[in-house]
Amino acid sequence: EAQVTQNPRYLITVTGKKLTVTCSQNMNHEYMSWYRQDPGLGLRQIYYSMNVEVTDKGDVPEGYKVSRKEKRNFPLILESPSPNQTSLYFCASSLVRDTAFEYFGPGTRLTVT
Amino acid sequence: KQEVTQIPAALSVPEGENLVLNCSFTDSAIYNLQWFRQDPGKGLTSLLLIQSSQREQTSGRLNASLDKSSGRSTLYIAASQPGDSATYLCAVINSGYALNFGKGTSLLVTP
Repeated sequence: EAQVTQNPRYLITVTGKKLTVTCSQNMNHEYMSWYRQDPGLGLRQIYYSMNVEVTDKGDVPEGYKVSRKEKRNFPLILESPSPNQTSLYFCASSLVRDTAFEYFGPGTRLTVT
Repeated sequence: KQEVTQIPAALSVPEGENLVLNCSFTDSAIYNLQWFRQDPGKGLTSLLLIQSSQREQTSGRLNASLDKSSGRSTLYIAASQPGDSATYLCAVINSGYALNFGKGTSLLVTP
């Protein structure tokens, strides 16, 4: 089944404790991205990757890192999480950037205390 | 910066009604427009994608139209069912590679 998977689905952590949210897609998509969703602000892009070893900042990249060492994986790293990073995070992928459907993962709900 | 607005923010209709959700955007230089559905606690499901050169797309009971020059799109849902209850999101892509999302329309279809 074609899908984007994220782990963990739920995470509660404390300020400053490094964490990684994994994202994997099985559709051989070149483009992958991370979004966060907050009440009243909607969905905003954090980082995106056009292909292996090619990443770039989205609209709200501060406090996040990403890497794209393999085509299928695109982990999101929070080196020192803060309470304002409490949010619902989505990973997404598409075959090409501007002509194809974008497929979303199920989301990771992160709480930073 | 692209601004995407969805009206109404919430909508409640009885089962069987036809309904229209509206989406407007400020920058008409888009590559495509997508409509998504989001169920509570779940991810986004892409419903329809309209390329900038197209005027509409249809999938089952859903029909989406695009008027790029006026910066508008509509999602038409025919013969609504309780299972259509969800939040519907409109998103556009410009040259910046990010999907620019509206804040969504929360739809409730009552039996």
